[in-house]
Amino acid sequence: AQKVTQAQTEISVVEKEDVTLDCVYETRDTTYYLFWYKQPPSGELVFLIRRNSFDEQNEISGRYSWNFQKSTSSFNFTITASQVVDSAVYFCALESYNTDKLIFGTGTRLQVFP
Amino acid sequence: SQTIHQWPATLVQPVGSPLSLECTVEGTSNPNLYWYRQAAGRGLQLLFYSVGIGQISSEVPQNLSASRPQDRQFILSSKKLLLSDSGFYLCAYKPDRHNEKLFFGSGTQLSVL
Repeated sequence: AQKVTQAQTEISVVEKEDVTLDCVYETRDTTYYLFWYKQPPSGELVFLIRRNSFDEQNEISGRYSWNFQKSTSSFNFTITASQVVDSAVYFCALESYNTDKLIFGTGTRLQVFP
Repeated sequence: SQTIHQWPATLVQPVGSPLSLECTVEGTSNPNLYWYRQAAGRGLQLLFYSVGIGQISSEVPQNLSASRPQDRQFILSSKKLLLSDSGFYLCAYKPDRHNEKLFFGSGTQLSVL
């Protein structure tokens, strides 16, 4: 069975703080893909990143960075120097190569205060 | 360019009434189509997905059904709504199967009273 766990329901930080959102996944497949999506207050989901199971290189995109560790089945997301505009719900998701479905975690609500 | 349309944006329905939410995709052929529901504290729950016309896979047994009468049209229905059907419904598509990211519609906020 596939499962994505985001244990942090809600995180509050003050602007300019760094924050890490945790994601732990379960799958028996050897080929799979991991995603992060952002859901701002408007409700529409915005794609942030996709990672395949064979690429454990960490990735950095501006203030965003992702740490993929197969040994711990984790795909954590760090926002450096957070800003108020980062306030949103963030979802981690998993898709196995042999399926057509993307399974989401329950999301982490991030609130960044000025 | 590819776009996804989902309507209505908000809907208030009495218990026991029928439901029909429509989603259409433009700019691509034979996309994978999905319906998700977002309820408080439960994240995004996959309800149905379709890899082709008339092909519907149901993920969660419930009061809802889905249909794909045309290649780029995906409809979510119910004959009799329950209070528990309230939530935020999102349609999504993938232009091609396998590992492409999902593109989401703007969602429908359904309140069943």
